[in-house]
Amino acid sequence: DTAVSQTPKYLVTQMGNDKSIKCEQNLGHDTMYWYKQDSKKFLKIMFSYNNKELIINETVPNRFSPKSPDKAHLNLHINSLELGDSAVYFCASTLSTGTLEAFFGQGTRLTVV
Amino acid sequence: DAKTTQPPSMDCAEGRAANLPCNHSTISGNEYVYWYRQIHSQGPQYIIHGLKNNETNEMASLIITEDRKSSTLILPHATLRDTAVYYCIVRFYSNSGYALNFGKGTSLLVTP
Repeated sequence: DTAVSQTPKYLVTQMGNDKSIKCEQNLGHDTMYWYKQDSKKFLKIMFSYNNKELIINETVPNRFSPKSPDKAHLNLHINSLELGDSAVYFCASTLSTGTLEAFFGQGTRLTVV
Repeated sequence: DAKTTQPPSMDCAEGRAANLPCNHSTISGNEYVYWYRQIHSQGPQYIIHGLKNNETNEMASLIITEDRKSSTLILPHATLRDTAVYYCIVRFYSNSGYALNFGKGTSLLVTP
């Protein structure tokens, strides 16, 4: 069983579209994260949720909206996609906010054309 | 939060020990050092972390200097599958939570 799974793995879409990436963890963890890895390979934190509550919200455009229906799921919805949104998006989870031993998903490669 | 400095790249022969250094001279007393790696096209993988004492697990050993200003990750017998980018991380605090603050890392190439 995959600990942290993301869907889809690849996403190619046109500018202006709205898309969602889904993440699920079966580890029983309380805290989930979204990270973005750009073309220069830098990994940056975007959001973090603890038990469905938003606790980290980095400087990310309002077009990005995370949603956590329950503590095992953290989805990322992106409105009005732009070329600069092209990146690999990683979901991760930790047991709690007090630990950074994170499990990462395999990533979603988003390409905006 | 403390920043880290790592060499951009290193080579290691298969079967030999890989020693990856990291400087974190501004680390504060209660900050842990975490090591992750990212194999090409995969998600980052947790390796090990420590505060003051040296740590060892099935993947690696972590040596932290007494003044805590630097550390070394040791892969005792590197294999080709250890080729990856290795990140030394001191946690990042944002809003009301902690997250990993990935830098540029060290690209380790293990050669036959």
